[in-house]
Amino acid sequence: DTEVTQTPKHLVMGMTNKKSLKCEQHMGHRAMYWYKQKAKKPPELMFVYSYEKLSINESVPSRFSPECPNSSLLNLHLHALQPEDSALYLCASSPNPGTTNTGELFFGEGSRLTVL
Amino acid sequence: DAKTTQPPSMDCAEGRAANLPCNHSTISGNEYVYWYRQIHSQGPQYIIHGLKNNETNEMASLIITEDRKSSTLILPHATLRDTAVYYCIVNSPSGTYKYIFGTGTRLKVLA
Repeated sequence: DTEVTQTPKHLVMGMTNKKSLKCEQHMGHRAMYWYKQKAKKPPELMFVYSYEKLSINESVPSRFSPECPNSSLLNLHLHALQPEDSALYLCASSPNPGTTNTGELFFGEGSRLTVL
Repeated sequence: DAKTTQPPSMDCAEGRAANLPCNHSTISGNEYVYWYRQIHSQGPQYIIHGLKNNETNEMASLIITEDRKSSTLILPHATLRDTAVYYCIVNSPSGTYKYIFGTGTRLKVLA
């Protein structure tokens, strides 16, 4: 299984709602990533988890709260978002950090978020 | 800041080779060059990577200059399905995980 699965594919939420995005992989990867992508822009790194611990937070507002409950699962909890947070949210994973590996990122298809 | 610079757009005739350049003049000795592409509204897809030698796989070839300050991705026989945004990234697989995307090149393959 070489897939990264993201759910839901589409999400519409109001500014007062609380919702979550989910990402799952079963490749045994121990690094997982969240990227945000606005239309016609490159993906922007948000968070990186390494061995289930948060290792990089690119100064992301606290209304985005990541969680890595186990080595296969990555969540992004959303609360009090703004319309400008509407974007494609991409999850990725990579082989074990700190070991000899290709460093290749495996991406999911993304969750398209619309904040009204 | 992104460590790579790419031309914003290129056109290529179907069946011809597409040559996509990338400058990475600040690359360090242990950093690899990775290429990804993103077809509209899909997640980025890994294409190829290399350290200093030229690499080839079933999708593409990667030519890295001897000083490693630039590289070229070659799609030998471009098809309409190769129309996508192509991103070049440099990073060390054993270091930090800050895979930072540059602005990419929007390749349009013309029939």
